[in-house]
Amino acid sequence: NAGVTQTPKFQVLKTGQSMTLQCAQDMNHNSMYWYRQDPGMGLRLIYYSASEGTTDKGEVPNGYNVSRLNKREFSLRLESAAPSQTSVYFCASSELGGGWDEQFFGPGTRLTVL
Amino acid sequence: AQSVTQLGSHVSVSEGALVLLRCNYSSSVPPYLFWYVQYPNQGLQLLLKYTTGATLVKGINGFEAEFKKSETSFHLTKPSAHMSDAAEYFCAVSDGQAGTALIFGKGTTLSVSS
Repeated sequence: NAGVTQTPKFQVLKTGQSMTLQCAQDMNHNSMYWYRQDPGMGLRLIYYSASEGTTDKGEVPNGYNVSRLNKREFSLRLESAAPSQTSVYFCASSELGGGWDEQFFGPGTRLTVL
Repeated sequence: AQSVTQLGSHVSVSEGALVLLRCNYSSSVPPYLFWYVQYPNQGLQLLLKYTTGATLVKGINGFEAEFKKSETSFHLTKPSAHMSDAAEYFCAVSDGQAGTALIFGKGTTLSVSS
């Protein structure tokens, strides 16, 4: 099992460019999440998908869109990147989506917006 | 609304010394509590979690945490630090409802010196 995989691992964008961060899990989990991690801020939830076909906003959704393509894949799109979106992005998944569930994290994508 | 406060953004201990990382939470309902660890340039992995039942929870790598409802605390301890414990540690809380995500604290970086 690969667990949760993310691509790319690193990315540099110019302000205004767009890109999609890809995430896939092979654990047959129902719920998937996108977080951003900034120094001194911990992890903040951007969007989550409780189950296939549903998505909901988290704490910091502005400037992002998501797609739950199927049960395995959950992508995060930046339509017009801004320097404030420079961050490390983590995708996670959990089996049932209940608050008691362990979340499994991917290795992260380090994004720099110039 | 739920929240988590981790006291001390940076904790330094000597190898063999007690590790104590502090976490206080706020929740209007019985909480589910988690500790995650992040090693450099990696994603997060679960150390331990409290859902219901025994208030002293044992996790991986010799860590444990005690849920104290009266103090709204869930402090993480390890009797004897190893160099390999150097990492960033995150406390997180959930209300246990289906379709909800975790609320993370801002993290505590643990340094271990020889």
